Amino acid sequence: AQTVTQSQPEMSVQEAETVTLSCTYDTSESDYYLFWYKQPPSRQMILVIRQEAYKQQNATENRFSVNFQKAAKSFSLKISDSQLGDAAMYFCAYRSPGANSKLTFGKGITLSVRP
Amino acid sequence: ETGVTQTPRHLVMGMTNKKSLKCEQHLGHNAMYWYKQSAKKPLELMFVYSLEERVENNSVPSRFSPECPNSSHLFLHLHTLQPEDSALYLCASSQDQTADTQYFGPGTRLTVL
Repeated sequence: AQTVTQSQPEMSVQEAETVTLSCTYDTSESDYYLFWYKQPPSRQMILVIRQEAYKQQNATENRFSVNFQKAAKSFSLKISDSQLGDAAMYFCAYRSPGANSKLTFGKGITLSVRP
Repeated sequence: ETGVTQTPRHLVMGMTNKKSLKCEQHLGHNAMYWYKQSAKKPLELMFVYSLEERVENNSVPSRFSPECPNSSHLFLHLHTLQPEDSALYLCASSQDQTADTQYFGPGTRLTVL
């Protein structure tokens, strides 16, 4: 079974600085999808970024980018120029391709942004 | 409204009550999901519906009863719940069951007294 591990429960970053959130996963499959979701205090879970495992290029969405290390099964999220609105819980998630595949989430990390 | 909506946003109920959670998606998706989010635990998938048919029941107690009358609406009927069922219940949808990206609603914060 696939597992997703987010070992850091909390992190803090100074506004305008860069922060990296860690995620590791365990799978025996070669093709899959990885995601970072953001859940602000309002509780709406929002997709931040997705990565397809067969693509070697790291995904980027504006200030958000990932460092995907397939061999190490690592998928970290880098937030550049942190803003107060980035404060939220961030969940790393994994999904195999296919109709019956589930989205497996990590426990999440709480990110606070200091003004 | 756009996206995925859930009502009510907050619900307090006794163990003998019967209540229902509602989810509606305005994205034209064919798959819908119920998740349970408890503190300090990963999101737990409860049910999956594809084209109004239940395709996954993830060992959920029978006191939780889902209903999907059409592809835009999903309900979770609750009866004789336990205090440990208190959690945030999230609804999500995706284009279809094979789609890799899911879109979430804001959740219903449920407290069982």
